[in-house]
Amino acid sequence: EADIYQTPRYLVIGTGKKITLECSQTMGHDKMYWYQQDPGMELHLIHYSYGVNSTEKGDLSSESTVSRIRTEHFPLTLESARPSHTSQYLCASSESMRGTSSKWTGELFFGEGSRLTVL
Amino acid sequence: KNQVEQSPQSLIILEGKNCTLQCNYTVSPFSNLRWYKQDTGRGPVSLTIMTFSENTKSNGRYTATLDADTKQSSLHITASQLSDSASYICVVSDRGSTLGRLYFGRGTQLTVWP
Repeated sequence: EADIYQTPRYLVIGTGKKITLECSQTMGHDKMYWYQQDPGMELHLIHYSYGVNSTEKGDLSSESTVSRIRTEHFPLTLESARPSHTSQYLCASSESMRGTSSKWTGELFFGEGSRLTVL
Repeated sequence: KNQVEQSPQSLIILEGKNCTLQCNYTVSPFSNLRWYKQDTGRGPVSLTIMTFSENTKSNGRYTATLDADTKQSSLHITASQLSDSASYICVVSDRGSTLGRLYFGRGTQLTVWP
């Protein structure tokens, strides 16, 4: 069972508010990701990190920002939420490939998700 | 263009019946293919991971197949249970980088009725 946690699970806020979605993992994984998912649609990568002090933007443009100060923690922040930010946000992590291990699969472990609704 | 297409979009079956979900991909170069199960309001959970050399892999009542030549995969569910109701997502990874970029399908929404 994956040890990756997201809070809050559900959040309803008004337009213009600043929000932070928390994500923590206890597996010691170097790689962490944030995905956005709307009903019936595929997951879209919005941010990822290869390790501490490393953050990159994903395929889908997002007004959110992330930070990676500690290996286990990868929070996502929206400075001023808008209704267009309403979505499901999924955090994930994966281990890095060590040497030439044939057993490395790069499997993603997902958190339970944070459902954000902006009114 | 690298894409992952899943069919059917949705499926309703009766408890105890079998079903097969399809995944076609155009991702190249290919690294591996994964099937995830996502319960409503939850995060996806891995069912199987298949590499280029693997044709079949089972995980309990779930059996995945891979045909790397035709770029097709299927997920067969045997003796379905109510708890199988979920979205099943096919994810393909390329070998373009150490990250192995992931391409997600939109999922097949399976509903199992009693």
